[in-house]
Amino acid sequence: DAKTTQPPSMDCAEGRAANLPCNHSTISGNEYVYWYRQIHSQGPQYIIHGLKNNETNEMASLIITEDRKSSTLILPHATLRDTAVYYCIVRHILTGGGNKLTFGTGTQLKVEL
Amino acid sequence: EAGVAQSPRYKIIEKRQSVAFWCNPISGHATLYWYQQILGQGPKLLIQFQNNGVVDDSQLPKDRFSAERLKGVDSTLKIQPAKLEDSAVYLCASSLRGTGGEETQYFGPGTRLLVL
Repeated sequence: DAKTTQPPSMDCAEGRAANLPCNHSTISGNEYVYWYRQIHSQGPQYIIHGLKNNETNEMASLIITEDRKSSTLILPHATLRDTAVYYCIVRHILTGGGNKLTFGTGTQLKVEL
Repeated sequence: EAGVAQSPRYKIIEKRQSVAFWCNPISGHATLYWYQQILGQGPKLLIQFQNNGVVDDSQLPKDRFSAERLKGVDSTLKIQPAKLEDSAVYLCASSLRGTGGEETQYFGPGTRLLVL
């Protein structure tokens, strides 16, 4: 399974953009990059995913480099409620069907006033 | 749309006792996953069902853990007997098909287990 590397923690001022990096240098051509976040005592929440192109939704933007070896999640205007652990995951397709998310330890984002 | 439901939310048991967790996935979702999340770590996949069949249970400690999804809808995860190291949050997730392509997993709130 492709592994991901994220910084353990980041700080961001409220109202500013939060840019969370992720390295996934062993990603295969058909593997998607997924981002989830987990607020304390809750289940992981889906944010966004992408394959090759940059993606944007109501929560965030995902920038994937051309060689697909790294990506950046952008929260354009971070709020205190965005304080959470953010997981970057390369989704692995199982041989027998199905798909597998392998979570690392993620990045603890702290948004402060 | 209702999300993934799990119960109970919290459970405290003594070691060597048995415990069961229940999960009801999002309506229409064929694939169901059970994860274990130990404090300070990311979730780890224990077992994946496609309808009522097992797709992957390679990380399930089968000597003490079992899971079933008899009718292809809700699922039960059981631990018998429990050990101290089983203290964790047990997360259930579901996805529409579970096959390749763009397939997103949606998680429930989890069951927090403490083994004393």
